[in-house]
Amino acid sequence: KNQVEQSPQSLIILEGKNCTLQCNYTVSPFSNLRWYKQDTGRGPVSLTIMTFSENTKSNGRYTATLDADTKQSSLHITASQLSDSASYICVVTDRGSTLGRLYFGRGTQLTVWP
Amino acid sequence: EADIYQTPRYLVIGTGKKITLECSQTMGHDKMYWYQQDPGMELHLIHYSYGVNSTEKGDLSSESTVSRIRTEHFPLTLESARPSHTSQYLCASSARAGGPESYNEQFFGPGTRLTVL
Repeated sequence: KNQVEQSPQSLIILEGKNCTLQCNYTVSPFSNLRWYKQDTGRGPVSLTIMTFSENTKSNGRYTATLDADTKQSSLHITASQLSDSASYICVVTDRGSTLGRLYFGRGTQLTVWP
Repeated sequence: EADIYQTPRYLVIGTGKKITLECSQTMGHDKMYWYQQDPGMELHLIHYSYGVNSTEKGDLSSESTVSRIRTEHFPLTLESARPSHTSQYLCASSARAGGPESYNEQFFGPGTRLTVL
């Protein structure tokens, strides 16, 4: 069964600190993995995308890693800001479907305190 | 920010009412999607469309229906709303498959928060 599991479920950090969010998946065949940021009451916005051959991708203070062998990904946020408070969702695309079916994790709810 | 819009943003209605959630995109995308999301849970695909006059049901069974008469418009309708329909509904769109990986990216609207009393 294709699944995406994220940990931790929630995380509280102080402004300026770093944090790492984890994603494990069983989706096969694998096409790509994206990390989305979803602010409260808004739709998800893509942060990074990685294909099978990529093992790291950065977008400003966000750095994603991918280990396609172990089917694990992480999202590292450096020097956190109050605006980083959001849900971070790991999304894996199934290469086997013409739709490009997406499998969503439940997200990690990040809260940054001043 | 993606050019995909949803109205209304919030809707509180009574049981038995008919409602239509609007979704429009100005990116010329072929594919459009409707997702349902409950707090702390993953997004579930309830409907999708490959293009005009194409609609399919998604993974999660839903009593809602959709239509795709125009490329840019993908409304969702509930004929008789019930409290079990209370949820957040997200619309998304993506370009035609077969192109670069970036074409797989789904752009999401801001969502409609529906509450049925």
